[in-house]
Amino acid sequence: EVQLVESGGGLVKPGGSLRLSCAASGFTFTTYSMNWVRQAPGKGLEWVSFISSSSDHIYYADSVKGRFTVSRDNARNSVYLQMNSLRAEDTAVYYCARDLAPMGPGIWGQGTMVTVSS
Amino acid sequence: DVVLTQSPLSLPVTLGQPASISCRSSQSLVYSDGNTYLNWFQQRPGQSPRRLIYKVSNRDSGVPDRFSGSGSGTDFTLKISRVEAEDVGVYYCMQGTHWPRYTFGQGTKLEIK
Repeated sequence: EVQLVESGGGLVKPGGSLRLSCAASGFTFTTYSMNWVRQAPGKGLEWVSFISSSSDHIYYADSVKGRFTVSRDNARNSVYLQMNSLRAEDTAVYYCARDLAPMGPGIWGQGTMVTVSS
Repeated sequence: DVVLTQSPLSLPVTLGQPASISCRSSQSLVYSDGNTYLNWFQQRPGQSPRRLIYKVSNRDSGVPDRFSGSGSGTDFTLKISRVEAEDVGVYYCMQGTHWPRYTFGQGTKLEIK
């Protein structure tokens, strides 16, 4: 069974940092690109970041560029999102999702909640 | 970025009746390979998004055949032939043509009348 399990969310103060993880199983991880997509409380979906299967193509939404860093460890079947200089507007559920670009996010994880508040 | 505009944003439907959601793009979604990467997602209350339709009209595995997608260029439609109680949730269109800057529509909330 294909599974994506996110972890690492929590409460952090403005200006703080957090590292999200996404563990993949049930498929050949190295075949797929991966995305992070977020959803603020009661709002719609916003694409955050993309990383190709071999990490040679990495992209960010303008809203997080320069503050967030995506990476992956194919040996561990995992993808990560390092979030620095967090702002209140980064408060959201963060989903990882696998991708065969340009198909876009296909299978999604259950999400991990990030709350940025003093 | 490509803007996707969904309508309506709220859709009350009687059980057993059909439903239709429109998604219009600010740019053509025809990709250089000739395919159109427009997908539809369902998000039930408290759940993660689930893809229903990919490349305009292809149903994902396990998706009931009462769901269908159509359209071309910049205008697309998701139809549910007969709404069931389990269809309650928010539906999003998403474009992949202009990847990696994937964009989503605002979402359409389907509820039972």
